[in-house]
Amino acid sequence: KAGVTQTPRYLIKTRGQQVTLSCSPISGHRSVSWYQQTPGQGLQFLFEYFSETQRNKGNFPGRFSGRQFSNSRSEMNVSTLELGDSALYLCASSLAPGDNEQFFGPGTRLTVL
Amino acid sequence: AQSVAQPEDQVNVAEGNPLTVKCTYSVSGNPYLFWYVQYPNRGLQFLLKYITGDNLVKGSYGFEAEFNKSQTSFHLKKPSALVSDSALYFCAVLPLGNNRLAFGKGNQVVVIP
Repeated sequence: KAGVTQTPRYLIKTRGQQVTLSCSPISGHRSVSWYQQTPGQGLQFLFEYFSETQRNKGNFPGRFSGRQFSNSRSEMNVSTLELGDSALYLCASSLAPGDNEQFFGPGTRLTVL
Repeated sequence: AQSVAQPEDQVNVAEGNPLTVKCTYSVSGNPYLFWYVQYPNRGLQFLLKYITGDNLVKGSYGFEAEFNKSQTSFHLKKPSALVSDSALYFCAVLPLGNNRLAFGKGNQVVVIP
């Protein structure tokens, strides 16, 4: 069974641009969560989607948004990029909310110049 | 709100010696507890989890962790460390009913040959 896939793996943008990251969960998994990893703040929860609905949102500004499609694939978008948005963005999938095991993808490394 | 503390920044251990990575948590109710490992330029890999039952949990690659409710700790252990165990280790808690993992800041483990 294929694992969680994230595209692209690496991305370089400049301040003020916007970016879209994609995550394909494990087949049969319907819940997708996103996390931001930075050296200073560590791993922080961004949001969680299930059945195309956002169930939870972390403490991030409105520039960070996401969505989930009917096939459970998810995208996250960051608008008006700032230098501090440079991070590794990790996607995790699970069967459903409250399922006690999340499987992580390899991440997308975003660099904002 | 839940929180996870991993008090040490880096853990150095000689190959063949026992390895311990410490974790304490603060959360209401009975959470699920996890350990993940991250190798350079990779996502998070699941090591083990505590849900309920025996306080000693065995996981992947010879790792185990001991849940101590009175001390709210969940320390990761390995009887004999390998050089290949050198990586970043994260402790995490998951409150019941949602997928919002809260992570500790991570511990860099360095196993010295």
